[in-house]
Amino acid sequence: EAGVVQSPRYKIIEKKQPVAFWCNPISGHNTLYWYLQNLGQGPELLIRYENEEAVDDSQLPKDRFSAERLKGVDSTLKIQPAELGDSAVYLCASSLEGRGMDEQFFGPGTRLTVL
Amino acid sequence: KQEVTQIPAALSVPEGENLVLNCSFTDSAIYNLQWFRQDPGKGLTSLLLIQSSQREQTSGRLNASLDKSSGRSTLYIAASQPGDSATYLCAVVDDYKLSFGAGTTVTVRA
Repeated sequence: EAGVVQSPRYKIIEKKQPVAFWCNPISGHNTLYWYLQNLGQGPELLIRYENEEAVDDSQLPKDRFSAERLKGVDSTLKIQPAELGDSAVYLCASSLEGRGMDEQFFGPGTRLTVL
Repeated sequence: KQEVTQIPAALSVPEGENLVLNCSFTDSAIYNLQWFRQDPGKGLTSLLLIQSSQREQTSGRLNASLDKSSGRSTLYIAASQPGDSATYLCAVVDDYKLSFGAGTTVTVRA
């Protein structure tokens, strides 16, 4: 069974440029998560989707970050414009359901460097 | 707000020694606790999931215990090997989201 797929794996951009990350969750998983991980720290939740609905986006900086999950499968996370402080690893995860009792499975992440 | 702490931040042991990794959390109203492994430049690999009603979970050389009342979990890795070198993170689920510790970076010396 394929795991969570993310692309690109690495991205280097100039500040003020836009950037987008793509995630394909494990087949059949209804819940999708985007996390941000800074160096030496644990991941922090940005947004959680139940099917197509963003049910928790309280930690998403909405002035520059946006996300969508069309048809309840793939998801895209966008930053526009990027700032130096956005350099981090962006992780996508999925679980069968989002009731809090299900194991979360993570993708390899996208490492973003903003110059 | 849930706070998750992992001490120590780094650990170095000779091959064959048993590893003991600690995790503490401030709010005991959790749904479950997960232990993950992260290799440099890679994503997180789930190791063990302990439901809030369980006291421990085992998988091969790994054993994780959970004491909700005291807000603690411990991951034991028996007979460590150089391939166990990685960062180990614990995370608790409350209010439908994972709250992570910063991790313990383990080095197993051959």
